[in-house]
Order: sequence, then structure tokens, then C-alpha cells
Amino acid sequence: NAGVTQTPKFQVLKTGQSMTLQCAQDMNHNSMYWYRQDPGMGLRLIYYSASEGTTDKGEVPNGYNVSRLNKREFSLRLESAAPSQTSVYFCATLWATGTGELFFGEGSRLTVL
Amino acid sequence: GENVEQHPSTLSVQEGDSAVIKCTYSDSASNYFPWYKQELGKRPQLIIDIRSNVGEKKDQRIAVTLNKTAKHFSLHITETQPEDSAVYFCAAIRSGAGSYQLTFGKGTKLSVIP
Repeated sequence: NAGVTQTPKFQVLKTGQSMTLQCAQDMNHNSMYWYRQDPGMGLRLIYYSASEGTTDKGEVPNGYNVSRLNKREFSLRLESAAPSQTSVYFCATLWATGTGELFFGEGSRLTVL
Repeated sequence: GENVEQHPSTLSVQEGDSAVIKCTYSDSASNYFPWYKQELGKRPQLIIDIRSNVGEKKDQRIAVTLNKTAKHFSLHITETQPEDSAVYFCAAIRSGAGSYQLTFGKGTKLSVIP
């Protein structure tokens, strides 16, 4: 039982390159989220998926796209990376039928040069 | 939408003293208020939460209070220890009809000085 798994954990990109962050959960939760965390800015929501087949924009969606591939997987894509996207990215799932607790992955540290 | 303000942004206390972190929210429909602790380089993890029908909840050295009228809630840590040093996030969640709207505060960096 791994919970929420993110890959890769670390990535360095050059400006303009593309990449996809992968997130998979084995908790059977419907709702999944992508956050970015920057110093002094807290956790800012990029995109979320309330259930399989649906995705919605959060607070800071520009420059990102997402895919909810199935109930387990929710990926975040940077089509043309910019230095402003240097951040730590967290995927999370929501235990909607339980306490409402968010379960976070370990995070992915992305640096864009 | 919901707006969550969290204060202070940094807090230093001596080991053994108490620490209090306060959050205010704007949406009176928010009904669930969790607190997350994030140690350096780690993921945020839930430490305590409170629902809108409860005024106070305690778990050992940690307590949370909620004032729905004033729309604020607070985290209280007593007898602080060095391992309490971390960033703490409050959040306000509005849930209903299968949807969840979550908003986090910007975090408080707590340093416990031995």
C-alpha cells in the first residue's frame, strides 16, 4: 500500500522543454489535486480532478495541462517550461467519503534553467 | 471564493512554551478546518482537524479551536518540543453534494529553540 506516488522526485529542465509529472494512488479516492509550493506562498492549487473523466482549473493553471487517465492516475504536463515554474509540486488525493483529509505524495522538485 | 489568512508567518518559541497560530476565513459555508504539518523536505501531513459543529478539539499537546461567528480558528501547541519545528498550514474546506473546495493559508514556520 504505497498511498500516493509521484515521479520523478527531481528534474532539471531547460527553458522551453516539456515534461510530465506522474501521480498514482492506490487509495481508491475519487478526487485528485496538483499543488505547487513556493517559499512564502504556501500551497497553490494548479488543477484538480473531482472524479475520473473530469478536470478543473485551480488558482494557477497557466502553463500547465492535466490528464486524469483513470481513477488511479493524474498527470501534470508542462508543455514549454519557464523559470517561473521552478517549484516543488505535490499531488494529493482527498478522502471524500471519510474525514475529508488530503493525502500528499512526497513531492517533485522541478528546476527550470 | 474562499480566502484564508494565516498569522504569524514565522514564530519562534522556547522549548516548553506554548505556540498559537491563527487563521481567518471568509466563506461562512466552509465546514471543515484541517491543520497540516510539513517538516523540512517532507510532504504535508494532517495533524488535527475540526468540523464546523464543534468548538474545540484536543489531541495530547495539540488543540484546535473554532469560532464560527468570527470566522476564525486557531492551533495551540503546548509544551513545545524541538520536533514541533516545521511549517504549519491551516485550510478551510467547503463540502457538499460531492464537491470539495479547499483553500490553504500561506503557512507558519514554527521554530522551537532548545
